[in-house]
Amino acid sequence: AQSVTQLDSHVSVSEGTPVLLRCNYSSSYSPSLFWYVQHPNKGLQLLLKYTSAATLVKGINGFEAEFKKSETSFHLTKPSAHMSDAAEYFCVVRPWSTASKLTFGTGTRLQVTL
Amino acid sequence: DGGITQSPKYLFRKEGQNVTLSCEQNLNHDAMYWYRQDPGQGLRLIYYSQIVNDFQKGDIAEGYSVSREKKESFPLTVTSAQKNPTAFYLCASSPAEIRSTEAFFGQGTRLTVV
Repeated sequence: AQSVTQLDSHVSVSEGTPVLLRCNYSSSYSPSLFWYVQHPNKGLQLLLKYTSAATLVKGINGFEAEFKKSETSFHLTKPSAHMSDAAEYFCVVRPWSTASKLTFGTGTRLQVTL
Repeated sequence: DGGITQSPKYLFRKEGQNVTLSCEQNLNHDAMYWYRQDPGQGLRLIYYSQIVNDFQKGDIAEGYSVSREKKESFPLTVTSAQKNPTAFYLCASSPAEIRSTEAFFGQGTRLTVV
């Protein structure tokens, strides 16, 4: 069985400061990992994904994440927050052994202040 | 444009009524999913389908039903047996056999019981 834990339900940063959204996963097999972003009353948009290639993954809008197998983590970072980054972020795991089933974290709401 | 279309965007239902949410995709994906989203609970899987005429229950299938008669369509019926149906519903699709590929999401349907 697989699971995802997003360690913070809410993160607040000032515009221009770094963003760190934390995600730990549990999976019996080598997983694929994803970060999605959701703006209010909208669907989910893919930010980036890890699929067993490079452990440092770059995504859209300046976000990146590093897969650390020893720590079972896949934290999302951005060097400098922008007001438009305010949204909800979901970490998702898809195990290699089962094609279809995704498991979502409970989400982290990112607030960006002036 | 390729993508997933959910309709309607907003839906109101009287208690005791069944209602059907539409989900159509033109991405030629084999797998389709329905998720329910409640504040602070992330996304929970209701049903998923990996192939036409076949589907499996997710984690919270009670009070819901689906059909998959065509590859591009995966409608969700919220029945009167669902005790607390007010929520945001998201449909997604992905290529079932490509484990490294992300799921693509529709824009969601907000269902409110009045």
